Amino acid sequence: KAGVTQTPRYLIKTRGQQVTLSCSPISGHRSVSWYQQTPGQGLQFLFEYFSETQRNKGNFPGRFSGRQFSNSRSEMNVSTLELGDSALYLCASSWAGQASGANVLTFGAGSRLTVL
Amino acid sequence: KQEVTQIPAALSVPEGENLVLNCSFTDSAIYNLQWFRQDPGKGLTSLLLIQSSQREQTSGRLNASLDKSSGRSTLYIAASQPGDSATYLCAVESGNTPLVFGKGTRLSVIA
Repeated sequence: KAGVTQTPRYLIKTRGQQVTLSCSPISGHRSVSWYQQTPGQGLQFLFEYFSETQRNKGNFPGRFSGRQFSNSRSEMNVSTLELGDSALYLCASSWAGQASGANVLTFGAGSRLTVL
Repeated sequence: KQEVTQIPAALSVPEGENLVLNCSFTDSAIYNLQWFRQDPGKGLTSLLLIQSSQREQTSGRLNASLDKSSGRSTLYIAASQPGDSATYLCAVESGNTPLVFGKGTRLSVIA
């Protein structure tokens, strides 16, 4: 079966712009989680969506937002980009969702964002 | 707040050597612990998941153990190969919080 698909894979933006990243989960998975990965901070949780509802949110400013559609596809948006937003953004899908106790996340290849 | 630490941050070994990667966590009330592999510029691939009631899991040349009481897990790789070169991350699921990741161990296996 198809894996988790993230688009675009690479993008370059300038400070102050906004960006939208997309994630298509594995068919049948209802949960999509987003993580930011940087060399200094490692993987940091952004948010999780389950059946179109945000179930959990990490400690990121309000410039970071997301949503999930009825087909479980998810998008995340970052507004007013800053240099520090340069990172690999990973999404992961699962059937049961996080904190379910029997959770195996399947990750996409990521979207590499560079902010100039 | 759960914190996950991985030691060492980087490791270089000759091909064929057996090796151990370490992971420690601060809150022992976990649901499970997972080990992932990440190749450069790529996403994460799940290697092993150990439920809190289990002591170890094995897959091929990989063996992961879990000691909840001491807050530790190890990933044992037998007969390492150059293709094992990657960053290995452990992650812990607990309470009502999402997976918390360590910063990983970057492994280089030299032919």
